[in-house]
Amino acid sequence: EPEVTQTPSHQVTQMGQEVILRCVPISNHLYFYWYRQILGQKVEFLVSFYNNEISEKSEIFDDQFSVERPDGSNFTLKIRSTKLEDSAMYFCASTGTLAGEQYFGPGTRLTVT
Amino acid sequence: AQSVTQLGSHVSVSEGALVLLRCNYSSSVPPYLFWYVQYPNQGLQLLLKYTSAATLVKGINGFEAEFKKSETSFHLTKPSAHMSDAAEYFCAVSDLGAAGNKLTFGGGTRVLVKP
Repeated sequence: EPEVTQTPSHQVTQMGQEVILRCVPISNHLYFYWYRQILGQKVEFLVSFYNNEISEKSEIFDDQFSVERPDGSNFTLKIRSTKLEDSAMYFCASTGTLAGEQYFGPGTRLTVT
Repeated sequence: AQSVTQLGSHVSVSEGALVLLRCNYSSSVPPYLFWYVQYPNQGLQLLLKYTSAATLVKGINGFEAEFKKSETSFHLTKPSAHMSDAAEYFCAVSDLGAAGNKLTFGGGTRVLVKP
């Protein structure tokens, strides 16, 4: 069964460093999402991406964040200058149609020290 | 803005007993509603979804949920808990708009199943 994969599973970085979280969505999917979950808090929407551009973003998704689909298979989330409060589990999701089920990856746990 | 409230962050049930997880939502448009399950060290897996068809929705692993518009609820039930049901469960509402289909999640309910 096709699945969404994410790498790395755990990333530790120092405050102020740039990180790139990688996701490989299901191959024929067209809509892509990033969510995050700070420990003990709700899963929060960050951004949606379709047709090589951001379709919607939350207030969390400020200028420090960017997304890219560099090669038609990977979907990346970049945080330019990490802060302590960026420590969270980051989930990638994809779906084949706008209203379709979102398939989630296993997540990347980002720890900023 | 949409929101989801899950009553009870932790629920403990005995094996074989009824599982009932509560979810209430607010939405300005007819909602799409979802229940996801997260097993340890895994991603979110869809259990079931409501998309304006039948109000009683059956999902995987014996779970079902009933959409009650008058109560703005979408509670999840399973008649008989198994040890394998120990996980965290998330209710979510979809904001299906032209820009995308972002999910708004509740806080989650962690289920413990006692032998």
